Amino acid sequence: QITLKESGPTLVKPTQTLTLTCTFSGLSLSTSGVGVSWIRQSPGKALEWLALIAWNDDKRYSPSLESRLTITKDTSKNQVVLTMTNMDPVDTGTYYCVCRRPGTNNWLDPWGQGTLVTVSS
Amino acid sequence: DIVMTQSPDSLAVSLGGTATINCKSSQSVLYSSNNKNYLAWYQQKPGQPPKLLIYWASSRESGVPDRFTGSGSETDFTLTISSLQAEDVAVYYCQQYYNFPLTFGGGTKVGIK
Repeated sequence: QITLKESGPTLVKPTQTLTLTCTFSGLSLSTSGVGVSWIRQSPGKALEWLALIAWNDDKRYSPSLESRLTITKDTSKNQVVLTMTNMDPVDTGTYYCVCRRPGTNNWLDPWGQGTLVTVSS
Repeated sequence: DIVMTQSPDSLAVSLGGTATINCKSSQSVLYSSNNKNYLAWYQQKPGQPPKLLIYWASSRESGVPDRFTGSGSETDFTLTISSLQAEDVAVYYCQQYYNFPLTFGGGTKVGIK
């Protein structure tokens, strides 16, 4: 069974850098085809894909946020870290990490429970 | 970016009735090399993360009831929920994975009439 859990600060100030960690079990980022994405959802709004890192260290970013995002992996710890710089109140929302299982394509399953991040001074 | 547009924004259906949700992509998500549509559907209940229902536009994820049916091709897709149950009250999203950035529709809220 694959499980993912997001962790990080619940409150950040404007202009600060957000660092979120996704810790997963039941799969390895050294396995061919495996990937982890970050998705966010503003309160009451739709889903927005942010970034993906794959087993081979291939990285993809949302073009609209690419200048602010960095995604990295620590295979030995089964962790993926997302950093987002220059946080703004519009970045408030729930941040999910999501798996791409081996043998699948870029549909998203399973999802972590999400972590709510509020940007406020 | 491929823009995904869902309709309607919300609908209310009687228990046992049929809900039809539409999703339109701004360009085709059909790969001619393998004849597959790179489209998925998700269900999100309040306070929960989304759950995968359908991939390849019409392939049901394991454990998903067969009252959920995905159809369509190229730019026009439909999620049909037959024999609507109270537990189906949720917001439904489509997502294209034809290319990056991965993009989602705006969501359709399904309620009970």
